[in-house]
Amino acid sequence: KAGVTQTPRYLIKTRGQQVTLSCSPISGHRSVSWYQQTPGQGLQFLFEYFSETQRNKGNFPGRFSGRQFSNSRSEMNVSTLELGDSALYLCASSMDRGIQETQYFGPGTRLLVL
Amino acid sequence: GENVEQHPSTLSVQEGDSAVIKCTYSDSASNYFPWYKQELGKRPQLIIDIRSNVGEKKDQRIAVTLNKTAKHFSLHITETQPEDSAVYFCAASFGSGNTGKLIFGQGTTLQVKP
Repeated sequence: KAGVTQTPRYLIKTRGQQVTLSCSPISGHRSVSWYQQTPGQGLQFLFEYFSETQRNKGNFPGRFSGRQFSNSRSEMNVSTLELGDSALYLCASSMDRGIQETQYFGPGTRLLVL
Repeated sequence: GENVEQHPSTLSVQEGDSAVIKCTYSDSASNYFPWYKQELGKRPQLIIDIRSNVGEKKDQRIAVTLNKTAKHFSLHITETQPEDSAVYFCAASFGSGNTGKLIFGQGTTLQVKP
């Protein structure tokens, strides 16, 4: 099976712009979680989508949003970018068969905000 | 609040020695505790996980123990090898039911000296 894929892998934006990141989960996986990784804050949970619905949300401002499509692919959007949004954005997918399942991470999208 | 504390932040051991990393979590309802290894420039990879109905789990040189009463869990790596050098993250599940919300510790940089 193909692993979790994310596009684009690298992105450079300027302050005030908006960005959309994409995540394709492992085939058959229905849950997609997003995380922000920075050297200072570590891995922080953004949100989780399951069956096209946001099931969990982290403590990020409303500028961060996401969605999930019927094929379980997910996108996250960041509007009005700030310098502090520079980070590695990781998505992870899991099967979710009614029990806690392993999350498999994608390679990440490295976002640089100038 | 939702919190996972991880110690130590850095750990240096001689090849062949054991390494122990400890984590505590804030929510007694957390029921899933994975450990991830992240090598430089790569995605986090699951190395072992444990559920709240189990006190200990072992996989070759790696073991995890869980003390639900004290709300802490530990990773034990025996007979360390240079290829074990990486950043290790513990995590705990937060949220009701099946949840894709993992809160991560700050990470431990393990260096194994040949």
